[in-house]
Amino acid sequence: DVVMTQSPLSLPVTLGQPASISCSSSQSLVHSDGNTYLNWFQQRPGQSPRRLIYKVSNRDSGVPDRFSGSGSGTDFTLKISRVEAEDVGVYYCMQGTHWEWTFGQGTKVEIK
Amino acid sequence: EVQLVESGGGLVQPGGSLRLSCAASGFTFSSYVMHWVRQAPGKGLEYVSAISSNGGTTYYANSVKGRFTISRDNSKNTLYLQMGSLRAEDMAVYYCRGVVGTTDCWGQGTLVTVSS
Repeated sequence: DVVMTQSPLSLPVTLGQPASISCSSSQSLVHSDGNTYLNWFQQRPGQSPRRLIYKVSNRDSGVPDRFSGSGSGTDFTLKISRVEAEDVGVYYCMQGTHWEWTFGQGTKVEIK
Repeated sequence: EVQLVESGGGLVQPGGSLRLSCAASGFTFSSYVMHWVRQAPGKGLEYVSAISSNGGTTYYANSVKGRFTISRDNSKNTLYLQMGSLRAEDMAVYYCRGVVGTTDCWGQGTLVTVSS
């Protein structure tokens, strides 16, 4: 199975400041079709997960442009340019290239 | 509006069985791959199973293979997860997920509790 490793696992941030979460995979996430199926999800307390980013860098509809995704191969990053109070929650990367699809352990973002 | 509503969760004894359902609306259900993802209490997300649009291809996590069966009824716009030989480690909120074009949709989840 592909292991997804996130860091940090806990991220205290100051409102208005940037934040960054890293995700690395145990093998390349480049699919035979040429796409890289790396997604980022946000799970706010008490809510279902919500996808923010798909195929590394594509923002879902309705997702604020302060969220951005980047990376390639085995190393990926989610950045929040200026953290707002509504960004509190747990963030997961997920690979959809190799079955079993797998999630990272999650990064808990909280306000300092 | 794309909507997924799970049902069927509850309390079951170890070794028991349960069937979860996910009712879909707002899109052409028969055209899309559907998924089950679970989350144990206080833990992260784990992929459980997926099924192709016509039901002909299924995928299972190693942790549930041979015990769970995913299926769908496209005439009823409903996804199912038949769970058997349930263990304590299967206790979780089970989410139904569908990716409709570029729209990713999750249900609210249904809680499965495995306890004697």
